[in-house]
Amino acid sequence: DAEITQSPRHKITETGRQVTLACHQTWNHNNMFWYRQDLGHGLRLIHYSYGVQDTNKGEVSDGYSVSRSNTEDLPLTLESAASSQTSVYFCASSEGTSGRGGTQYFGPGTRLTVL
Amino acid sequence: AQTVTQSQPEMSVQEAETVTLSCTYDTSENNYYLFWYKQPPSRQMILVIRQEAYKQQNATENRFSVNFQKAAKSFSLKISDSQLGDTAMYFCAFMKAYSGNTGKLIFGQGTTLQVKP
Repeated sequence: DAEITQSPRHKITETGRQVTLACHQTWNHNNMFWYRQDLGHGLRLIHYSYGVQDTNKGEVSDGYSVSRSNTEDLPLTLESAASSQTSVYFCASSEGTSGRGGTQYFGPGTRLTVL
Repeated sequence: AQTVTQSQPEMSVQEAETVTLSCTYDTSENNYYLFWYKQPPSRQMILVIRQEAYKQQNATENRFSVNFQKAAKSFSLKISDSQLGDTAMYFCAFMKAYSGNTGKLIFGQGTTLQVKP
């Protein structure tokens, strides 16, 4: 069955370190998204991609970067981790808006703690 | 800019009863999608139901149904015959619809639902 996976599921790191969170989907979806979830804020969009070599900033993109070298993967990098980036991170993917398209399917999440 | 508001941070319901979760949104778009996602303690985000704005008929999925009021910009979720497994946080979300690639999801703050035995 097609799925979307994230790794690691839990990560503890120190302030100032570079961290990369992996997201891999086997749906063959063009569109991929990264969100962070914090108490009182719901899910907020960090970055998104509509295809290979395409990346776009979301509403909370400062301190994060992504790259899309193939359809299946969209890794999220924290260039220099800060305590404010302690959060739960979700990756999602979707196909285009046609028929039943547009619905985003989520990975299981990564809990990141920055000490 | 679009916004989504869930005014009920927490709700509870007795098992087998019916509960309604509220959601309002603000947009100038005419074509869009609305969603309800469920997040149980496992943290997995699970799609519950989806509504296309151009459809007047309210979406239903088994015990879950919505009351979509486009003019009022309201999108409530009704859960019938509540089960213990329905205990979760529920998120309302909005997405613009346009030709080509899909739009971005905008989430409400969530409503925590507790189903009591």
